[in-house]
Amino acid sequence: AQSVTQLGSHVSVSEGALVLLRCNYSSSVPPYLFWYVQYPNQGLQLLLKYTSAATLVKGINGFEAEFKKSETSFHLTKPSAHMSDAAEYFCAVSDDYKLSFGAGTTVTVRA
Amino acid sequence: DSGVTQTPKHLITATGQRVTLRCSPRSGDLSVYWYQQSLDQGLQFLIQYYNGEERAKGNILERFSAQQFPDLHSELNLSSLELGDSALYFCASSSTGIGDSGNTIYFGEGSWLTVV
Repeated sequence: AQSVTQLGSHVSVSEGALVLLRCNYSSSVPPYLFWYVQYPNQGLQLLLKYTSAATLVKGINGFEAEFKKSETSFHLTKPSAHMSDAAEYFCAVSDDYKLSFGAGTTVTVRA
Repeated sequence: DSGVTQTPKHLITATGQRVTLRCSPRSGDLSVYWYQQSLDQGLQFLIQYYNGEERAKGNILERFSAQQFPDLHSELNLSSLELGDSALYFCASSSTGIGDSGNTIYFGEGSWLTVV
């Protein structure tokens, strides 16, 4: 079974600072990888996905992620954090017919 | 708005009771997924249906069941409810199965279930 591990359950950044959320995957085959965001009291929204077309994937709201096979990683970054980025972020991997999610990372943004 | 509609948004019920959560997938999507989100378990896959047929089963309790109807809407039935069943239940949909080509799964806003 495929799985992902998110390093760090909570990240606090200053407004304007780099946001870096870490995700490592475990997969016996080339995976499909996803990042979702969950704002308070809302559902999950897709930020971006990797489907092997390009290793650097750009998503919505200025986020991007880089697939590194040698490191089995798919870290999410945003150069400059905004207050509106405060949310919970989930990394996920395709696992047969479903998505398997990491435990999530909560991002708080300090003014 | 993802296009996935879930009802009810909030539900409070007593232990031992039975509830039904309803989901309408995005127009044209054939796959429906149910997930449970709780503080201690995180996001857990429960079950997937594809065009009316059960396709994959995850950590779904025997007290829980689901089905997908000919019009593609789905219902999740939770019975003999326990306090630990209190959680946010998500429905999601995709055009085909996720394993086919990395298709995006779109999530609804969830149904909050509180068992008292």
